[in-house]
Amino acid sequence: EDKVVQSPLSLVVHEGDTVTLNCSYEVTNFRSLLWYKQEKKAPTFLFMLTSSGIEKKSGRLSSILDKKELFSILNITATQTGDSAIYLCAGHNTDKLIFGTGTRLQVFP
Amino acid sequence: DTGVSQNPRHKITKRGQNVTFRCDPISEHNRLYWYRQTLGQGPEFLTYFQNEAQLEKSRLLSDRFSAERPKGSFSTLEIQRTEQGDSAMYLCASSLGPVGQGMNTEAFFGQGTRLTVV
Repeated sequence: EDKVVQSPLSLVVHEGDTVTLNCSYEVTNFRSLLWYKQEKKAPTFLFMLTSSGIEKKSGRLSSILDKKELFSILNITATQTGDSAIYLCAGHNTDKLIFGTGTRLQVFP
Repeated sequence: DTGVSQNPRHKITKRGQNVTFRCDPISEHNRLYWYRQTLGQGPEFLTYFQNEAQLEKSRLLSDRFSAERPKGSFSTLEIQRTEQGDSAMYLCASSLGPVGQGMNTEAFFGQGTRLTVV
């Protein structure tokens, strides 16, 4: 059965800290891995990764995929209180996205 | 606004009543997905459409649930004889094609419909 596992489940940091969120996956016919940010409402798209070793970057956020070891990481540098959210990782096979349970990040001033 | 649109945003219904939700995907997106999310969990797949064809349904989608996408544009999700366990956020997403197969095939989500069954 396809599954996506995220760790840690919860993370509490102070503003300015750097965090690394982990995502491992077992997805048949794997096509891509996606990261989303969820703040009370619908998930907001962050990154889509299809190739190993190519870092994607957007401001203070970056992500990379390792298709050999079946994992991805999401890095956030110089965290801000606005980064507080649930970060969801999802693997896509040919048909659908399979989500992990998410990592809840809380950033305190 | 050219994003995914869902209506209504909130729905409170009595147990046993039928409810219907609507999703308008991003224009020209031929894939449309329905997910359900409960507190503390990631979204769970329910079903998806390629144009008007419903290609896969999850085991979570009991016979009380039905989804349609009659003209390959908007979609509806109906729940008959609602139960308290149906209370959740129902999310719709769309993509230009199979996610990850080519450029610009990310899946984007709507704001969701929060269902409360009392």
